[in-house]
Amino acid sequence: GAVVSQHPSWVICKSGTSVKIECRSLDFQATTMFWYRQFPKQSLMLMATSNEGSKATYEQGVEKDKFLINHASLTLSTLTVTSAHPEDSSFYICSARDFGGKNYNEQFFGPGTRLTVL
Amino acid sequence: SQQGEEDPQALSIQEGENATMNCSYKTSINNLQWYRQNSGRGLVHLILIRSNEREKHSGRLRVTLDTSKKSSSLLITASRAADTASYFCATDSPGNTGKLIFGQGTTLQVKP
Repeated sequence: GAVVSQHPSWVICKSGTSVKIECRSLDFQATTMFWYRQFPKQSLMLMATSNEGSKATYEQGVEKDKFLINHASLTLSTLTVTSAHPEDSSFYICSARDFGGKNYNEQFFGPGTRLTVL
Repeated sequence: SQQGEEDPQALSIQEGENATMNCSYKTSINNLQWYRQNSGRGLVHLILIRSNEREKHSGRLRVTLDTSKKSSSLLITASRAADTASYFCATDSPGNTGKLIFGQGTTLQVKP
């Protein structure tokens, strides 16, 4: 149980285009989802927290107009990187948490999406 | 913001040896978790230790937590080549936001 998927697993796009990444909780309802970014050989940096049905809360320094997050259902959150540039190339990882479930302390991570912007 | 620091940043050992990684954090916590990440892959949850616990075991893993020193350690005993990965600690702070703040990580190489 507690599986989180991400799609796509990798994407290459041209500078200036927008890319959407999906995060799904497959066998539980995720009241909260988190989006992280990880540059090569670095740790995960939390970008934003999204609660189902409400606006995402962004961490300091993360541009909300550039990284659009939608959490329209209890099993799906999307991250859209708008007008992507080469510096946005990174590994994007989502995680999901069910505050109402028995494993409420745990976050379950997706496998990540590698974005390369040319 | 990152609040965790881990040391060493990199560790290279022979198969069969024990590996110890340390993590320090800055604020009070609800719990501390350790994750493993193979190169270019997602995170695998290893173990969670609550703020009122001092030690926890899971298979070849032993985690300690010292809240007075704001530090934790992860011990992997009898290491195997398959343990080669990056290891991160993450803290879940009070306030029930659910946010996890990750340490910088330790890259472990286990040589066969």
